Amino acid sequence: QVQLVESGGGVVQPGGSLRLSCAASGFTFSSYAMHWVRQAPGKGLEWVAFIRYDGSSQYYADSVKGRFTISRDNSKNTLYLQMNSLRAEDTAVYYCANHRCTSISCYSDYWGQGTLVTVSS
Amino acid sequence: EIVLTQSPGTLSLSPGERATLSCRASQSVSSSYLAWYQQKPGQAPRLLIYGAASRATGIPDRFSGSGSGTDFTLTISRLEPEDFAVYYCQQYGSSPPWTFGQGTKLEVK
Repeated sequence: QVQLVESGGGVVQPGGSLRLSCAASGFTFSSYAMHWVRQAPGKGLEWVAFIRYDGSSQYYADSVKGRFTISRDNSKNTLYLQMNSLRAEDTAVYYCANHRCTSISCYSDYWGQGTLVTVSS
Repeated sequence: EIVLTQSPGTLSLSPGERATLSCRASQSVSSSYLAWYQQKPGQAPRLLIYGAASRATGIPDRFSGSGSGTDFTLTISRLEPEDFAVYYCQQYGSSPPWTFGQGTKLEVK
């Protein structure tokens, strides 16, 4: 069955770095664009970053632009999020999700369970 | 950036009642690119509706979506106990950012 499994979360000091991974299985990972979405404790969902199926283009929320980098390794069926210059406001559960487009719509129907990133001194 | 505003923030209803959740966009959104998600505590979001009105695989027919332009609605015809959760709308426009609404919490009255 389809699985997206995030890892790499943890506690990091302000200004520090962390790299998240999202391991995909059960579907053709290389055919799908992918997103990172985050959720601060007790808050709503916030879109963070997007990468095309072949890694040719990336887009970022203004709140992370210049600090976060999304990438992928299709040979390893893995999505990454490199997070630098972390701030307290980056504390959140980070989810990876696919981006599916059909002839009539686009949406995310595969989601991981999330990994918690805590930025604190 | 397209801002999505959901209302109400919290909706208190009883099982068996009908729930109507609203999502209003700051500018027109193609119906094809409006989705609804359900999220329960400690869980990832789950796709309910895509293309404003199409149910995702395995979603019961008590869930329905409608709307166009700037006004979209998620309706749950008869609430089951498992439907009490937080609901988000999201727009997948032609360019980023692909924004979410702030969510509507559906709680037991």
